Amino acid sequence: EPEVTQTPSHQVTQMGQEVILRCVPISNHLYFYWYRQILGQKVEFLVSFYNNEISEKSEIFDDQFSVERPDGSNFTLKIRSTKLEDSAMYFCASNLGTGITDTQYFGPGTRLTVL
Amino acid sequence: AQSVTQLGSHVSVSEGALVLLRCNYSSSVPPYLFWYVQYPNQGLQLLLKYTTGATLVKGINGFEAEFKKSETSFHLTKPSAHMSDAAEYFCAVKDSGAGSYQLTFGKGTKLSVIP
Repeated sequence: EPEVTQTPSHQVTQMGQEVILRCVPISNHLYFYWYRQILGQKVEFLVSFYNNEISEKSEIFDDQFSVERPDGSNFTLKIRSTKLEDSAMYFCASNLGTGITDTQYFGPGTRLTVL
Repeated sequence: AQSVTQLGSHVSVSEGALVLLRCNYSSSVPPYLFWYVQYPNQGLQLLLKYTTGATLVKGINGFEAEFKKSETSFHLTKPSAHMSDAAEYFCAVKDSGAGSYQLTFGKGTKLSVIP
């Protein structure tokens, strides 16, 4: 069964460093998402991406964040200068794009630790 | 703005006992409702969803949930717990009126099954 994959599973970085989290969505899906979960808190929406542009973003997704689909398979989240409070589990998701009730399929997550 | 409340961050049941995980939402319009499950080191997997029609929704692994508009609830149940049901369960909503694709999640409930 097709699945969303994410790399790396764990990333440790120093405050102020740039990180890139990578995701490979399901191949025929058209909508892509990033969510994050700070330890002990809710899973929060960050951004959605469709047709090579951001379609929605939350207040969390400020200028420090960017997303890109550099080729036909990868979908990346870049944090330009990490802060301690960026430590969280980051989930990538994708859906087919047939409608608003589409199921979003999630990857296993990347745990980011900022020291 | 929508919000989701999951009562109980941790629920323990005996094997064979009823599973009841509670979810209440706050939304200006009836939303679309979802339950996801996360097994250790895996992504969030859709258990079931309610969009329109019959308010009792059946999902995978014997789970079901009932949408009760008057109670703004979407509680998840399973008649008889198995050891394999031990996981974290997330309730989520999507605004049916705004054309937004983003999911709003609850904090999750970790289910333990005691042999």
